[in-house]
Amino acid sequence: EIVLTQSPATLSLSPGERATLSCRASQSISTYLAWYQQKPGQAPRLLIYHASNRATDIPARFSGSGSGTDFTLTINTLEPEDFALYYCQQRGDWPITFGQGTRLE
Amino acid sequence: QEQLVQSGGGVVQPGGSLRLSCAASGFTFHGYGVHWVRQAPGKGLEWVAFVWHDGDNKYYADSVRGRFTISKDDRKSTVHLQMDSLREDDAAVYYCAPRRDTGFMDVWGRGTTVTVSS
Repeated sequence: EIVLTQSPATLSLSPGERATLSCRASQSISTYLAWYQQKPGQAPRLLIYHASNRATDIPARFSGSGSGTDFTLTINTLEPEDFALYYCQQRGDWPITFGQGTRLE
Repeated sequence: QEQLVQSGGGVVQPGGSLRLSCAASGFTFHGYGVHWVRQAPGKGLEWVAFVWHDGDNKYYADSVRGRFTISKDDRKSTVHLQMDSLREDDAAVYYCAPRRDTGFMDVWGRGTTVTVSS
């Protein structure tokens, strides 16, 4: 199965700063990667799909990049509501897999 | 408003069974595949199963294959997850999420809790 490794595990920043989250795949997945945000007690929310496409109603401060095995989620000018857990997910091959998550605090 | 209505969670003893349901509201599952994803307490997301739009082709995580069965009823716009031979490590919040035009899980249910305990 394709293993997704997210780094860092925890990212400590302040509002107004920029966050850079990484997701590395154990083999090439082209751009079959998504990013999700999850807040405590809530379901995940799709942020980015196909590596760089913002989902509906997602603010422009969220952006994704990468292809093959290395992917990045960038959050410009952090807002207080952005502090949450972030997961990457691949559908380049079965089984679907998620990264272990990055906590943005 | 598009939403997914989930039901069927609860407490069951090891070896028991539960059937989870996920109903689409404000849209239809017709033409879309649907995933089940779970999250154990304090843990990350784990993909469980997927059924293609036709309802015939299905995929399962190794951890549940042979014990869980996913099914799709387009007439009722509902997807089910039949869970048999439940183990303590199946305890989690289970989410359903369709694979729609983005190719990814762009809408999620609120989740239903499964507790497996003697």
